[in-house]
Amino acid sequence: ELKVEQNPLFLSMQEGKNYTIYCNYSTTSDRLYWYRQDPGKSLESLFVLLSNGAVKQEGRLMASLDTKARLSTLHITAAVHDLSATYFCAVRGGADGLTFGKGTHLIIQP
Amino acid sequence: EAGVTQSPTHLIKTRGQQATLRCSPISGHTSVYWYQQALGLGLQFLLWYDEGEERNRGNFPPRFSGRQFPNYSSELNVNALELEDSALYLCASHGRGSYEQYFGPGTRLTVT
Repeated sequence: ELKVEQNPLFLSMQEGKNYTIYCNYSTTSDRLYWYRQDPGKSLESLFVLLSNGAVKQEGRLMASLDTKARLSTLHITAAVHDLSATYFCAVRGGADGLTFGKGTHLIIQP
Repeated sequence: EAGVTQSPTHLIKTRGQQATLRCSPISGHTSVYWYQQALGLGLQFLLWYDEGEERNRGNFPPRFSGRQFPNYSSELNVNALELEDSALYLCASHGRGSYEQYFGPGTRLTVT
């Protein structure tokens, strides 16, 4: 059974700081996704990572994938308040449905 | 291009009733996925439809069912509602040859 673990589950940080969210998964997969969810809202796609060593960046967010270690990271650079949200990683299992981590609730304080 | 749409936005039912949730994928997308986001349980895969067929389902009882219509829109039916079915139900679609799953705004189902 595919398991996806994120840590930390809760993160409070100050504006301007850097931090990393980690996502470990238990079995081989060919796709890893990062999503953002604002309170009461749906999921917004951030990144899809397809191959070992893949790195994608959008603004202050950068995601990477190490398929050998079954690890993805989401790095936040010089955080700003607008990035406060819950971030999910998800891995495609064999049946095409995604298996999600529990999410990282990120609060960025001025 | 219009995104994934879902209706209704909110649905309130009583225990034992049936609920029907609807999803329209992005134009040209043939696959529809349903997910449940329940408090304390996180996001869980429910069902996957593609080209009108159910391709796979997650670890949910048979009272969760659905279908996909010829225009690729989809319906999720939940029979014999239980209190723990209260959740946000999200629909996602993806097109052939694409890796992205695009999510709709969700239907919040409350069972009293």
